[in-house]
Amino acid sequence: AQSVAQPEDQVNVAEGNPLTVKCTYSVSGNPYLFWYVQYPNRGLQFLLKYITGDNLVKGSYGFEAEFNKSQTSFHLKKPSALVSDSALYFCAVRDGGSSNTGKLIFGQGTTLQVKP
Amino acid sequence: DAGVIQSPRHEVTEMGQEVTLRCKPISGHDYLFWYRQTMMRGLELLIYFNNNVPIDDSGMPEDRFSAKMPNASFSTLKIQPSEPRDSAVYFCASSPRGGVDVQPQHFGDGTRLSIL
Repeated sequence: AQSVAQPEDQVNVAEGNPLTVKCTYSVSGNPYLFWYVQYPNRGLQFLLKYITGDNLVKGSYGFEAEFNKSQTSFHLKKPSALVSDSALYFCAVRDGGSSNTGKLIFGQGTTLQVKP
Repeated sequence: DAGVIQSPRHEVTEMGQEVTLRCKPISGHDYLFWYRQTMMRGLELLIYFNNNVPIDDSGMPEDRFSAKMPNASFSTLKIQPSEPRDSAVYFCASSPRGGVDVQPQHFGDGTRLSIL
């Protein structure tokens, strides 16, 4: 069965420091991986995706994520955090081995708090 | 691009009443998803459609919940009768058929439902 784990409920970083939000996954086929961000009273917004190719994926707002097949991880990173990055972050996976259903499995979310 | 449009944005009603949530997906998108978000359970997929046909409704919590997609530009999620435990934020999302390039889901800003 497909699953996604975000082991940290909350991540706290100081503005200007690098940030990492962790995600691990489990699928039977090749994974399609996504990161979304949710600001208060808004829907989820797409940040970036990994389908195939280069393990380092770059996305919106200076975020990037590294796909690691051996560790089944897809951690979200940013070299220098901004206070405005404070939000709820979701990792999601789709099993590339399944039929093209479009269905994603989401993690529980990690709250990122960036302090000035 | 208008994005996914949901209405109403807020709904407050009394227990036992019928509730109808509405969604207009992005034009040309083949998939439509309904999610529910609560603090306790996180983000849950309720049901999704492909080309107006329900594909997977295994997430619909009870027979009190029903969803329809009468055409490519409109979907409803109904709760009848409503109960206080149905209080949550309900999101609609849509995505195009991706083929080789897997496409992300685009979310509306949700309907915040409160059942008194």
